[in-house]
Order: sequence, then structure tokens, then C-alpha cells
Amino acid sequence: AQSVTQPDIHITVSEGASLELRCNYSYGATPYLFWYVQSPGQGLQLLLKYFSGDTLVQGIKGFEAEFKRSQSSFNLRKPSVHWSDAAEYFCAVGGHNTNAGKSTFGDGTTLTVKP
Amino acid sequence: SQTIHQWPATLVQPVGSPLSLECTVEGTSNPNLYWYRQAAGRGLQLLFYSVGIGQISSEVPQNLSASRPQDRQFILSSKKLLLSDSGFYLCAWSGRGGGYTEAFFGQGTRLTVV
Repeated sequence: AQSVTQPDIHITVSEGASLELRCNYSYGATPYLFWYVQSPGQGLQLLLKYFSGDTLVQGIKGFEAEFKRSQSSFNLRKPSVHWSDAAEYFCAVGGHNTNAGKSTFGDGTTLTVKP
Repeated sequence: SQTIHQWPATLVQPVGSPLSLECTVEGTSNPNLYWYRQAAGRGLQLLFYSVGIGQISSEVPQNLSASRPQDRQFILSSKKLLLSDSGFYLCAWSGRGGGYTEAFFGQGTRLTVV
């Protein structure tokens, strides 16, 4: 069975500082990986996705993530955080021949941005 | 472009009352549809998914049911709500055909059972 672990429940960074949110997955084959962002009381918005090819993927809002098969990780990064990035972030994993919405989600990481 | 609508945004219901949450998708046809629940401080739990009209698969046993009376309409229901049904409910859709696409989410419904 597939699973996702986001080790950090809550992260606080200063505005302008760099950010890395960790995601580890478990899946028996090549996974499809996603990062979503959720503002309070809102739905989820896709930040980026990895299906195949280049292991460093670029997303919206200046985010990027790197797929590392050897470490079963798909960490999300941003070089300089803005106050508007404060939100909850979810990593998700899906597999081949699986309906996209049936991805397995991590429990999320809440990002707080200090002024 | 495709859009997904979910309503109501907020709902407070007494224990034992019925529930009906509605989700509709526009701008696409024959989507896969999903209902998720998000408990406080937790990730998303898939409740139901549908690959077509009248085709519903349940992922977890629960007090809820789902129906898909039209291609782009997905309804989450309960005959008698429990306190444990409180949570944030999200509808989502994904495309069909070759390849693997991401899910697109509605804005969610905050359900509080009192």
C-alpha cells in the first residue's frame, strides 16, 4: 500500500528566508507525486507534480521540488518565502493506472511566516 | 475552463439530522469525481469516488453515502448525522483518458454536527 509521511507538523520561517518542506513516500513502483497548498477554509491548489523525467520540477508561486528515488523523498523548496505563503501544505502520492484523485495524502505541514 | 462548485460553504447540523452536500463540475465531461474528508489537523481521507453516473465506490465504512445522478454532479448524504461526521468535506474531479492527471478541488464545506 502507498503512504506519505510529512515529518514536520508545523514550520515557522522568517519572511525572505528559504524553505524546505519534507515529504517521504512509500510505493512499490515509480510514483506520481504532488504538492498541494491549502489556505485556511479553502480547497487545495496544486503547486507542482512529478510524473517522470527531470527530477527537479518547477511549480507555481516560485516553488520547486526534487524527486529522490534513493531516499523516497519529494521535498518542496522555495528560496525566499513571502508572507502570503503561510498555509498548509500537503504532499501526495499516486500510482500508475490509478485515478488521480485516489492519491494518498500526508497529514500536512502548517507553514507560519514571521515578519 | 473547468470549474468545480461545492455548497454550502458552512453548515451546522444537529445530531440525527440528514445531510446533503452537492458538488458540480463545469467545463468538462465524464470526469472522475471524489469526496474527501479532512479532520482537524489531519490529511485528506478519501470517502467515495465515482467513474460514471450511478457508479460509486466507497473507500471506508461510514455513516455517509454518495450518489452521482448526473455526469457532473456528485452528492454526499447522510440519513442521520453523528458527532464524528464533523469535518471539512472536499469534492474533487480528475480527467479521464490516457495519462495520469492531478485532482482539482472545490472550496470545501465545513460541517459541524452539534
